Amino acid sequence: EDQVTQSPEALRLQEGESSSLNCSYTVSGLRGLFWYRQDPGKGPEFLFTLYSAGEEKEKERLKATLTKKESFLHITAPKPEDSATYLCAVHPSGTYKYIFGTGTRLKVLA
Amino acid sequence: GAVVSQHPSWVICKSGTSVKIECRSLDFQATTMFWYRQFPKQSLMLMATSNEGSKATYEQGVEKDKFLINHASLTLSTLTVTSAHPEDSSFYICSAEGLQDSYNEQFFGPGTRLTVL
Repeated sequence: EDQVTQSPEALRLQEGESSSLNCSYTVSGLRGLFWYRQDPGKGPEFLFTLYSAGEEKEKERLKATLTKKESFLHITAPKPEDSATYLCAVHPSGTYKYIFGTGTRLKVLA
Repeated sequence: GAVVSQHPSWVICKSGTSVKIECRSLDFQATTMFWYRQFPKQSLMLMATSNEGSKATYEQGVEKDKFLINHASLTLSTLTVTSAHPEDSSFYICSAEGLQDSYNEQFFGPGTRLTVL
Protein backbone atom coordinates (compact mmCIF):
# COMPACT_ATOMS: atom_id res chain seq x y z
CA GLU A 1 0.00 0.00 0.00
CA ASP A 2 1.26 3.47 -0.91
CA GLN A 3 2.03 5.49 2.19
CA VAL A 4 3.55 8.81 3.28
CA THR A 5 4.75 9.58 6.81
CA GLN A 6 6.04 12.94 7.98
CA SER A 7 8.08 13.66 11.06
CA PRO A 8 8.22 15.33 13.43
CA GLU A 9 4.55 16.17 13.85
CA ALA A 10 5.48 19.53 15.34
CA LEU A 11 8.75 21.45 15.65
CA ARG A 12 9.70 24.57 17.55
CA LEU A 13 12.90 26.37 16.56
CA GLN A 14 14.62 29.51 17.65
CA GLU A 15 15.21 32.04 14.91
CA GLY A 16 18.42 31.06 13.12
CA GLU A 17 18.35 27.46 14.35
CA SER A 18 18.58 25.26 11.26
CA SER A 19 16.76 21.92 11.09
CA SER A 20 15.26 19.32 8.75
CA LEU A 21 11.80 17.92 8.21
CA ASN A 22 11.40 14.32 7.08
CA CYS A 23 9.00 12.71 4.62
CA SER A 24 9.24 8.92 4.34
CA TYR A 25 7.30 7.18 1.60
CA THR A 26 6.45 3.73 0.36
CA VAL A 27 5.21 3.48 -3.23
CA SER A 28 5.48 0.92 -5.97
CA GLY A 29 6.72 3.59 -8.34
CA LEU A 30 7.24 7.34 -7.93
CA ARG A 31 6.20 9.91 -10.52
CA GLY A 32 6.97 12.84 -8.26
CA LEU A 33 7.29 14.05 -4.67
CA PHE A 34 5.96 17.45 -3.70
CA TRP A 35 6.49 19.86 -0.83
CA TYR A 36 3.89 22.46 0.07
CA ARG A 37 3.63 25.15 2.71
CA GLN A 38 0.24 25.81 4.30
CA ASP A 39 -0.63 28.78 6.49
CA PRO A 40 -3.69 28.61 8.77
CA GLY A 41 -6.95 29.07 6.89
CA LYS A 42 -5.28 29.02 3.48
CA GLY A 43 -4.66 26.53 0.71
CA PRO A 44 -1.27 24.84 0.33
CA GLU A 45 1.39 26.83 -1.48
CA PHE A 46 3.61 24.91 -3.88
CA LEU A 47 7.29 24.79 -2.96
CA PHE A 48 9.11 21.99 -4.80
CA THR A 49 8.73 18.96 -7.00
CA LEU A 50 11.37 16.21 -6.97
CA TYR A 51 11.32 13.44 -9.54
CA SER A 52 14.25 11.13 -8.92
CA ALA A 53 16.63 10.02 -6.18
CA GLY A 54 19.60 12.34 -5.77
CA GLU A 55 17.72 15.40 -6.94
CA GLU A 56 17.94 18.59 -4.89
CA LYS A 57 16.10 21.91 -5.18
CA GLU A 58 16.56 25.19 -3.32
CA LYS A 59 14.47 28.27 -2.70
CA GLU A 60 15.67 30.97 -0.32
CA ARG A 61 16.16 29.28 3.06
CA LEU A 62 14.64 25.98 1.96
CA LYS A 63 16.32 23.01 0.33
CA ALA A 64 14.59 19.77 -0.60
CA THR A 65 16.38 16.48 -1.21
CA LEU A 66 15.17 13.07 -2.32
CA THR A 67 16.31 9.47 -1.87
CA LYS A 68 14.54 6.27 -2.84
CA LYS A 69 12.80 6.10 0.53
CA GLU A 70 12.54 9.62 1.88
CA SER A 71 12.77 13.32 1.31
CA PHE A 72 14.11 16.03 3.56
CA LEU A 73 13.17 19.68 3.69
CA HIS A 74 16.12 21.53 5.16
CA ILE A 75 15.48 24.95 6.65
CA THR A 76 18.58 27.09 7.07
CA ALA A 77 18.57 29.97 9.57
CA PRO A 78 14.77 30.10 9.77
CA LYS A 79 12.83 33.27 10.49
CA PRO A 80 9.48 33.66 12.27
CA GLU A 81 7.77 34.08 8.89
CA ASP A 82 8.74 30.52 8.05
CA SER A 83 6.26 29.32 10.66
CA ALA A 84 3.64 27.18 8.89
CA THR A 85 2.60 23.59 8.28
CA TYR A 86 4.76 21.86 5.68
CA LEU A 87 3.05 19.11 3.70
CA CYS A 88 4.68 16.37 1.69
CA ALA A 89 2.83 14.50 -1.08
CA VAL A 90 3.73 11.74 -3.49
CA HIS A 91 2.25 10.95 -6.88
CA PRO A 92 2.62 7.19 -7.36
CA SER A 93 2.91 5.66 -10.78
CA GLY A 94 -0.27 4.27 -12.28
CA THR A 95 -2.70 6.45 -10.34
CA TYR A 96 -4.21 9.90 -10.65
CA LYS A 97 -4.14 10.41 -6.89
CA TYR A 98 -1.64 12.30 -4.81
CA ILE A 99 -1.03 10.91 -1.33
CA PHE A 100 -0.45 13.50 1.38
CA GLY A 101 1.34 13.18 4.67
CA THR A 102 -0.16 14.67 7.81
CA GLY A 103 2.30 17.54 7.81
CA THR A 104 4.86 19.08 10.15
CA ARG A 105 3.75 22.16 12.09
CA LEU A 106 6.76 24.44 12.32
CA LYS A 107 6.97 27.33 14.78
CA VAL A 108 9.97 29.65 14.63
CA LEU A 109 10.42 31.85 17.67
CA ALA A 110 11.98 35.30 17.49
CA GLY B 1 3.67 30.33 -10.99
CA ALA B 2 0.29 28.82 -11.74
CA VAL B 3 -2.65 30.51 -10.02
CA VAL B 4 -5.86 28.85 -8.86
CA SER B 5 -8.75 30.85 -7.45
CA GLN B 6 -11.70 29.76 -5.34
CA HIS B 7 -14.94 31.56 -4.69
CA PRO B 8 -16.30 32.25 -2.20
CA SER B 9 -13.51 32.28 0.38
CA TRP B 10 -16.06 31.72 3.12
CA VAL B 11 -19.78 31.07 3.34
CA ILE B 12 -22.32 30.68 6.12
CA CYS B 13 -25.61 29.01 5.30
CA LYS B 14 -28.65 27.53 6.97
CA SER B 15 -29.13 23.81 7.28
CA GLY B 16 -30.93 22.37 4.26
CA THR B 17 -29.67 24.89 1.72
CA SER B 18 -27.24 24.23 -1.12
CA VAL B 19 -23.90 25.93 -1.57
CA LYS B 20 -21.82 26.18 -4.73
CA ILE B 21 -18.05 26.65 -4.68
CA GLU B 22 -16.14 27.62 -7.81
CA CYS B 23 -12.56 26.69 -8.64
CA ARG B 24 -10.73 28.36 -11.53
CA SER B 25 -7.27 27.97 -12.99
CA LEU B 26 -6.41 31.52 -14.00
CA ASP B 27 -3.31 31.22 -16.16
CA PHE B 28 -3.25 27.63 -17.35
CA GLN B 29 -5.54 24.90 -18.59
CA ALA B 30 -6.11 22.20 -16.01
CA THR B 31 -6.19 18.63 -17.23
CA THR B 32 -7.60 17.51 -13.91
CA MET B 33 -9.09 19.23 -10.89
CA PHE B 34 -9.26 17.78 -7.39
CA TRP B 35 -11.53 18.59 -4.47
CA TYR B 36 -10.27 18.11 -0.91
CA ARG B 37 -11.73 18.53 2.52
CA GLN B 38 -9.60 19.47 5.50
CA PHE B 39 -10.47 19.24 9.18
CA PRO B 40 -8.63 21.32 11.79
CA LYS B 41 -5.01 20.25 12.25
CA GLN B 42 -5.44 17.38 9.82
CA SER B 43 -4.13 16.75 6.36
CA LEU B 44 -6.06 16.94 3.11
CA MET B 45 -8.74 14.34 2.41
CA LEU B 46 -9.39 13.76 -1.28
CA MET B 47 -13.11 13.85 -2.03
CA ALA B 48 -13.22 13.57 -5.81
CA THR B 49 -11.31 14.04 -9.02
CA SER B 50 -12.78 15.65 -12.11
CA ASN B 51 -11.76 15.91 -15.72
CA GLU B 52 -13.30 18.33 -18.18
CA GLY B 53 -16.34 16.88 -19.91
CA SER B 54 -16.54 13.67 -17.93
CA LYS B 55 -18.08 12.49 -14.69
CA ALA B 56 -16.17 12.98 -11.50
CA THR B 57 -14.50 10.09 -9.73
CA TYR B 58 -15.50 10.04 -6.09
CA GLU B 59 -13.46 8.55 -3.27
CA GLN B 60 -14.90 5.82 -1.13
CA GLY B 61 -17.29 7.17 1.48
CA VAL B 62 -18.04 10.42 -0.35
CA GLU B 63 -21.71 10.77 -1.33
CA LYS B 64 -22.07 11.61 -5.01
CA ASP B 65 -25.56 13.02 -4.62
CA LYS B 66 -24.52 15.28 -1.78
CA PHE B 67 -21.32 16.66 -3.29
CA LEU B 68 -22.08 17.44 -6.92
CA ILE B 69 -19.09 18.21 -9.09
CA ASN B 70 -19.25 19.80 -12.51
CA HIS B 71 -16.14 20.37 -14.63
CA ALA B 72 -17.50 22.73 -17.26
CA SER B 73 -14.26 23.70 -18.95
CA LEU B 74 -10.50 23.31 -18.74
CA THR B 75 -10.40 26.24 -16.33
CA LEU B 76 -13.51 25.81 -14.19
CA SER B 77 -14.84 23.19 -11.79
CA THR B 78 -17.65 23.61 -9.29
CA LEU B 79 -18.55 21.74 -6.11
CA THR B 80 -22.14 21.99 -4.89
CA VAL B 81 -22.90 20.85 -1.38
CA THR B 82 -26.58 19.94 -1.53
CA SER B 83 -28.90 20.08 1.46
CA ALA B 84 -26.04 21.09 3.71
CA HIS B 85 -26.00 20.06 7.36
CA PRO B 86 -23.77 21.17 10.25
CA GLU B 87 -21.55 18.11 9.80
CA ASP B 88 -20.67 19.41 6.32
CA SER B 89 -18.99 22.41 7.91
CA SER B 90 -15.34 22.25 6.91
CA PHE B 91 -12.55 23.80 4.87
CA TYR B 92 -12.87 22.81 1.21
CA ILE B 93 -9.85 23.18 -1.06
CA CYS B 94 -9.62 22.64 -4.79
CA SER B 95 -6.52 22.05 -6.82
CA ALA B 96 -5.76 22.02 -10.51
CA GLU B 97 -3.24 19.87 -12.25
CA GLY B 98 -1.43 21.56 -15.09
CA LEU B 99 1.54 20.90 -17.30
CA GLN B 100 4.65 22.53 -15.85
CA ASP B 101 8.13 21.74 -17.20
CA SER B 102 6.81 18.68 -19.04
CA TYR B 103 5.25 17.27 -15.91
CA ASN B 104 1.81 17.56 -14.42
CA GLU B 105 1.98 19.46 -11.15
CA GLN B 106 -0.81 20.27 -8.74
CA PHE B 107 -1.59 23.82 -7.60
CA PHE B 108 -4.06 24.69 -4.90
CA GLY B 109 -6.72 27.31 -4.47
CA PRO B 110 -6.96 29.39 -1.28
CA GLY B 111 -9.79 27.29 0.12
CA THR B 112 -13.42 27.92 1.11
CA ARG B 113 -14.55 27.86 4.72
CA LEU B 114 -18.12 26.50 4.90
CA THR B 115 -20.15 26.92 8.07
CA VAL B 116 -23.60 25.37 8.19
CA LEU B 117 -25.85 26.62 10.98
